[in-house]
Amino acid sequence: LAKTTQPISMDSYEGQEVNITCSHNNIATNDYITWYQQFPSQGPRFIIQGYKTKVTNEVASLFIPADRKSSTLSLPRVSLSDTAVYYCLVVNPGAGSYQLTFGKGTKLSVIP
Amino acid sequence: DTAVSQTPKYLVTQMGNDKSIKCEQNLGHDTMYWYKQDSKKFLKIMFSYNNKELIINETVPNRFSPKSPDKAHLNLHINSLELGDSAVYFCASSRRTSGGQETQYFGPGTRLLVL
Repeated sequence: LAKTTQPISMDSYEGQEVNITCSHNNIATNDYITWYQQFPSQGPRFIIQGYKTKVTNEVASLFIPADRKSSTLSLPRVSLSDTAVYYCLVVNPGAGSYQLTFGKGTKLSVIP
Repeated sequence: DTAVSQTPKYLVTQMGNDKSIKCEQNLGHDTMYWYKQDSKKFLKIMFSYNNKELIINETVPNRFSPKSPDKAHLNLHINSLELGDSAVYFCASSRRTSGGQETQYFGPGTRLLVL
């Protein structure tokens, strides 16, 4: 399983764009990158996933450089409700174990 | 309609007791999981079931026994509860796409406190 490293915490003001970068230097060829969000007292919620280049959905964008050794989750114009822990995960679809390994995550605090 | 539901939401019990947590998903997924999130907020997988068969059993004490009566349900039974079992337990379910990627849907969690 590829290990991921991301900042423990980040602060941002409302309305700003927030970029959270995750390092995964030993990512394997078939691995893909997925991000989850967890609000206090709730279960994690899927945000976005991708394999390479850029993926965008209604919630966020995910940027993955060509070497795929890192990825950046971009949250446009954050609001107070985006305060949560954000987890970066690297998943091997061929592992057969359906296993998600969560790290410590990045605790994002949005300030008014 | 709640996609993944768990009962109870809160569970307070004495050491040594036996308790069960129930999980149901109405998403038609083939795979279900149990995760444990401790006081330090580390989220760790405990079990995974695919089509009612166990496919992951991490290093979890055998006091924990999952039971899957059908694809939509995965219950967790805990014998002889210990103080260290206090945590939030999350159930999740998923289905794999043809491309091999999957999205897991988590329940609201069961907050277990062992006194």
